[in-house]
Amino acid sequence: EAGVTQSPRYAVLQEGQAVSFWCDPISGHDTLYWYQQPRDQGPQLLVYFRDEAVIDNSQLPSDRFSAVRPKGTNSTLKIQSAKQGDTATYLCASSFAGYEQYFGPGTRLTVL
Amino acid sequence: GEQVEQLPSILRVQEGSSASINCTYENSASNYFPWYKQEPGENPKLIIDIRSNMERKQTQGLIVLLDKKAKRFSLHITDTQPGDSAMYFCAASADSGYNKLTFGKGTVLLVSP
Repeated sequence: EAGVTQSPRYAVLQEGQAVSFWCDPISGHDTLYWYQQPRDQGPQLLVYFRDEAVIDNSQLPSDRFSAVRPKGTNSTLKIQSAKQGDTATYLCASSFAGYEQYFGPGTRLTVL
Repeated sequence: GEQVEQLPSILRVQEGSSASINCTYENSASNYFPWYKQEPGENPKLIIDIRSNMERKQTQGLIVLLDKKAKRFSLHITDTQPGDSAMYFCAASADSGYNKLTFGKGTVLLVSP
């Protein structure tokens, strides 16, 4: 079975630029998660969806970050105006009915 | 919310010995405790998990213990091999669907031959 796929794998931006990350979950998984993983730290949940609905986005910096999953399959995470503090790896994960979360390879973002 | 503390941050062991990583949590409602292994440049992979209705779980050289009174859980790797060298994360979830995972800061395990 194909795993979670993400693109791009790497992104380098200047402060103030925008960037979008794309995630394709495992087929049939109804729940999709976006995590931020700063270097040498554990993943931190930003937002998660069940089908197309946002279930929890309480940790998503809403002034600059947005996430959508319009058809309940693929998802996009966007940073409107990146800051140096956003430098991290952005991980997408998916699960079926809240069981084991399978992580994608991540997008490593560097904001200069 | 939940806070998860993980220790040690770095653990060096000799091949063939055992390794132990400890985590504590704050929310007494936490009911699901997975452990993930992450190799450099790779995504985290679930290696073992335990739910709050159990105190011990074992699989393929891994043992997880859960002490709900002390709000503590631990991973024990028996007979370590160089291939066990990686970053290990514990996590805890307090929601009914096991969705909102709070991760510890990780432990770098180094197994020397």
